[in-house]
Amino acid sequence: AQSVAQPEDQVNVAEGNPLTVKCTYSVSGNPYLFWYVQYPNRGLQFLLKYITGDNLVKGSYGFEAEFNKSQTSFHLKKPSALVSDSALYFCAVRDSYTDKLIFGTGTRLQVFP
Amino acid sequence: EAGVAQSPRYKIIEKRQSVAFWCNPISGHATLYWYQQILGQGPKLLIQFQNNGVVDDSQLPKDRFSAERLKGVDSTLKIQPAKLEDSAVYLCASSLAGTPYEQYFGPGTRLTVT
Repeated sequence: AQSVAQPEDQVNVAEGNPLTVKCTYSVSGNPYLFWYVQYPNRGLQFLLKYITGDNLVKGSYGFEAEFNKSQTSFHLKKPSALVSDSALYFCAVRDSYTDKLIFGTGTRLQVFP
Repeated sequence: EAGVAQSPRYKIIEKRQSVAFWCNPISGHATLYWYQQILGQGPKLLIQFQNNGVVDDSQLPKDRFSAERLKGVDSTLKIQPAKLEDSAVYLCASSLAGTPYEQYFGPGTRLTVT
């Protein structure tokens, strides 16, 4: 079955420090990978995607993600965290059979001042 | 550009009652999605429309859930009768036909069934 896993329920980081939110995937064929962010009482917002090309993908709000085929990972990163980055982050993968998006369970990022 | 609109934002009903949610997608977005997000889980696709036709409703519990997209624009999702396990946030999303993976989500409707 095609799936995506986010091994951490919560990530805590101090403001100004680098952050990483982990995601691993399992798909047939070439993966299409995505990150979405959900702020409190708001819908999901698209951050970035990897379909093909450079392994390092840059997205909104200074976030980037690194595609690693050998480790089947697509970790979300930011060099310097902001308190306003505190939110729920979802990794997603395209199901290559149905073309649907399959979301992970989410990782809550808490950035402390 | 206006985003995806949903109403109501919150709804509390008793089990066995019925409820309806409304969604207005971004203008020009041909594809519309309804997701169910249970607390602690990622969104799960319930139904996908392309214009006013259903593309995928394989995970829609059709004995109690129904959805329509009149004239290929607005959409409504209905639950009748509701069960306790239907308590969740119902998200509507839309996308351009050519970029189905760049989905724009509405704020969601939080449903509590008591």
